[in-house]
Amino acid sequence: AQRVTQPEKLLSVFKGAPVELKCNYSYSGSPELFWYVQYSRQRLQLLLRHISRESIKGFTADLNKGETSFHLKKPFAQEEDSAMYYCALSLTGFQKLVFGTGTRLLVSP
Amino acid sequence: EAGVTQFPSHSVIEKGQTVTLRCDPISGHDNLYWYRRVMGKEIKFLLHFVKESKQDESGMPNNRFLAERTGGTYSTLKVQPAELEDSGVYFCASSLNGNIQYFGAGTRLSVL
Repeated sequence: AQRVTQPEKLLSVFKGAPVELKCNYSYSGSPELFWYVQYSRQRLQLLLRHISRESIKGFTADLNKGETSFHLKKPFAQEEDSAMYYCALSLTGFQKLVFGTGTRLLVSP
Repeated sequence: EAGVTQFPSHSVIEKGQTVTLRCDPISGHDNLYWYRRVMGKEIKFLLHFVKESKQDESGMPNNRFLAERTGGTYSTLKVQPAELEDSGVYFCASSLNGNIQYFGAGTRLSVL
């Protein structure tokens, strides 16, 4: 079965520190990977997707098929990055998203 | 443009009662999805509409859940009768071509 694993429930860092939110997936096909973010009192919104290969708000994520990972990275965390981050995949030929359990990022001043 | 809207934002009902959640997708989006997050667990897919047709309902938990999208515009998700384990946040999302899904703010359902 398809699965997305986010091993950390909470990641707490200081402002300016590097951040890496881990995401591993299990799927035998070629998935499309996403990172969604939910800021306090806001709706879930797309942060980035692997096929775009772009950097949003300083965040990047590289799909590593060998390690089946899609870790989210930012070299210098900001307080406004504090939010809940969800890794998700969609399956070839299907549109439903399979989510991980999420990681809460807390950036302290 | 208006985003995906969900109503109500919060619903508190007793076990055995019926609740209907509504989702208005972004105008012009043919694809509409329902997800839910039960306390402490991941967000899980329920079903996917393309216009008024159910494309994928593999995530619907049981026959107490009924989703409709008459006319291919807004959708409703009815839970009848509600059970305690149905408590959680129900999300709706829509997409134009199936690539990027835009989410609503969710409906928090509390079954007492």
